[in-house]
Amino acid sequence: KAGVTQTPRYLIKTRGQQVTLSCSPISGHRSVSWYQQTPGQGLQFLFEYFSETQRNKGNFPGRFSGRQFSNSRSEMNVSTLELGDSALYLCASSLVPGGLYNEQFFGPGTRLTVL
Amino acid sequence: GESVGLHLPTLSVQEGDNSIINCAYSNSASDYFIWYKQESGKGPQFIIDIRSNMDKRQGQRVTVLLNKTVKHLSLQIAATQPGDSAVYFCAEGRGGLTGGGNKLTFGTGTQLKVEL
Repeated sequence: KAGVTQTPRYLIKTRGQQVTLSCSPISGHRSVSWYQQTPGQGLQFLFEYFSETQRNKGNFPGRFSGRQFSNSRSEMNVSTLELGDSALYLCASSLVPGGLYNEQFFGPGTRLTVL
Repeated sequence: GESVGLHLPTLSVQEGDNSIINCAYSNSASDYFIWYKQESGKGPQFIIDIRSNMDKRQGQRVTVLLNKTVKHLSLQIAATQPGDSAVYFCAEGRGGLTGGGNKLTFGTGTQLKVEL
């Protein structure tokens, strides 16, 4: 069974540009969550999607957005990139949203560098 | 506000010894806690979880202890092996479909180094 896949794995952008990251969940998983990982702030929750609807959102500015497609694949977009957006962006999938014993499986992440 | 923090940034242990990684949390409304392991270049990998109404849960070579009185969580790894070298995170979650969904609040992480 294939794991969570994220594309691209590495990305270099310049300030002011926008970027779109993609996540394909494990087959059959319908919930996708996104996290940002930086050395300074650690792992921070961005948002969660289930059945093409955003169910939860973290404390990030509106420049960060996402969506989910009918096949459960998800994309996140960051507009007007800032240097501080440089991070590892992780996607996690689970069968359904929420709760204990509903294990989330993480992908390898997309390493975004903003110059 | 909510926070989940770790006491030690780096823990060095000898191969074969037991490891104990600690975590403090501040949100008493947490419903469950999870320990993750993250190796270099990889995403976090689930190790073990525990519901907030439990004190202890055991897995293969790992045990999680929860002390709600002092809001403290620990991960014990028995007979630590070189393959256990990684960063370990505790994470806190709330509720299910009507609660926190899949939102997890992560601690800052502890680097476990296993010396041969």
